[in-house]
Amino acid sequence: QVQLQESGPGLVKTSGTLSLTCAVSGGSLSSGDWWTWVRQPPGKGLEWIGDIYQSGSTHYNPSLSSRVTISVDKSKNQFSLRLSFVTAADTAVYFCVRDRGPTMTTRAFDLWGQGTMVTVSS
Amino acid sequence: QSVLTQPPSMSGVPGQRVIIPCSGSGSNIGADYDVHWYQQLPGTAPKLLIYGNNNRPSGVPDRFSGSKSGTSASLAITGLQAADEAVYYCQSYDSSLSGSKVFGTGTKVTVL
Repeated sequence: QVQLQESGPGLVKTSGTLSLTCAVSGGSLSSGDWWTWVRQPPGKGLEWIGDIYQSGSTHYNPSLSSRVTISVDKSKNQFSLRLSFVTAADTAVYFCVRDRGPTMTTRAFDLWGQGTMVTVSS
Repeated sequence: QSVLTQPPSMSGVPGQRVIIPCSGSGSNIGADYDVHWYQQLPGTAPKLLIYGNNNRPSGVPDRFSGSKSGTSASLAITGLQAADEAVYYCQSYDSSLSGSKVFGTGTKVTVL
């Protein structure tokens, strides 16, 4: 069965760039699904960051779009997140997620990675 | 900041029925975009509970059901169990601000 696994530094310096990778195992990133990043600050709710299709087409949360880049590497069956100019407000658990369904307005997040905690500190 | 509003907490005794509301607006739920629900047990990743307003993924008990009307949606849990103690989030699409997936504020359900 398909599994998602996040990886990357657990500590990022203020004003630096947060970089995470999500490895897709047990299935193909070119399955026709969209691949998503969601984050959750400690003790708070969920926030959608953005998503990407196998073609490289992306959508980003407007509140983060100036700092976010999501990319895909089909040869490695993985996708990545880069968030620049980070502050303490970007401290959160970051989840990679499969978004499945026919359209953007009907797709649901049906498979989640376990999440990885990223702390931003000087 | 979230455009979908949920009560922060609700509680019930085992066997009771609990209904969790999710209030939106004309640019999300009211625009007839699908609503999905997720369950997040303590210390774990969220899990899809209901998709497409009222559909259960394989393995989700029929004690969980979803509905939508106008600019609101709701998740019903019947026969409440101790294992249902978790945070529940609604989620939809919002067409304002260039379009975005949005989550509800989350509701912590406590089983007394």
